[in-house]
Amino acid sequence: QQQVKQSPQSLIVQKGGISIINCAYENTAFDYFPWYQQFPGKGPALLIAIRPDVSEKKEGRFTISFNKSAKQFSLHIMDSQPGDSATYFCAAWMDSSYKLIFGSGTRLLVRP
Amino acid sequence: GAVVSQHPSWVICKSGTSVKIECRSLDFQATTMFWYRQFPKQSLMLMATSNEGSKATYEQGVEKDKFLINHASLTLSTLTVTSAHPEDSSFYICSARGSLAGGGEQYFGPGTRLTVT
Repeated sequence: QQQVKQSPQSLIVQKGGISIINCAYENTAFDYFPWYQQFPGKGPALLIAIRPDVSEKKEGRFTISFNKSAKQFSLHIMDSQPGDSATYFCAAWMDSSYKLIFGSGTRLLVRP
Repeated sequence: GAVVSQHPSWVICKSGTSVKIECRSLDFQATTMFWYRQFPKQSLMLMATSNEGSKATYEQGVEKDKFLINHASLTLSTLTVTSAHPEDSSFYICSARGSLAGGGEQYFGPGTRLTVT
């Protein structure tokens, strides 16, 4: 119940295309859903986050879509660029456990 | 704002020795700091949570006597790997959460690569 399942494991997209990464969770007590971007040898950087009372949040080329009834959320990267090539992690947080639960990660490669 | 630093960025030590990793919040007071471990091509695994001035809470399976955590001030937490062995080689990442942070908002450091020979 504490797990966050992330797919796909890897993704190849052409420059200018849309990258879509999906995550699913079981525990409805999660109340904060961030996405992190990690480059090799670096720490994760917060990209965008959403709370369950909102169905969509957009920041620049990054959009989170949140489906509370399906217990799923996804990251859309519009106009994907080679510089977006990185590993992306979804995560979920609940105040009662006071910890972030990470998905398994998606390695994105954007071809020029 | 919300910058977290780690020192050192990489360290090589011999088996049996101890190594200390520092995590600092540079522009905010971190009431809570988290320590993660990440193996190559894997996700982040939470090792422990520390609140300033109190003992760290370790995740199941993490040896508290091996991974000593000290959160002595609102801007500094340290992780000491005692009697290191090659299997302790990993990427260690800290994160920090301020008192005004909402929900799970936390900021990550750049990580420390530990290699035990």
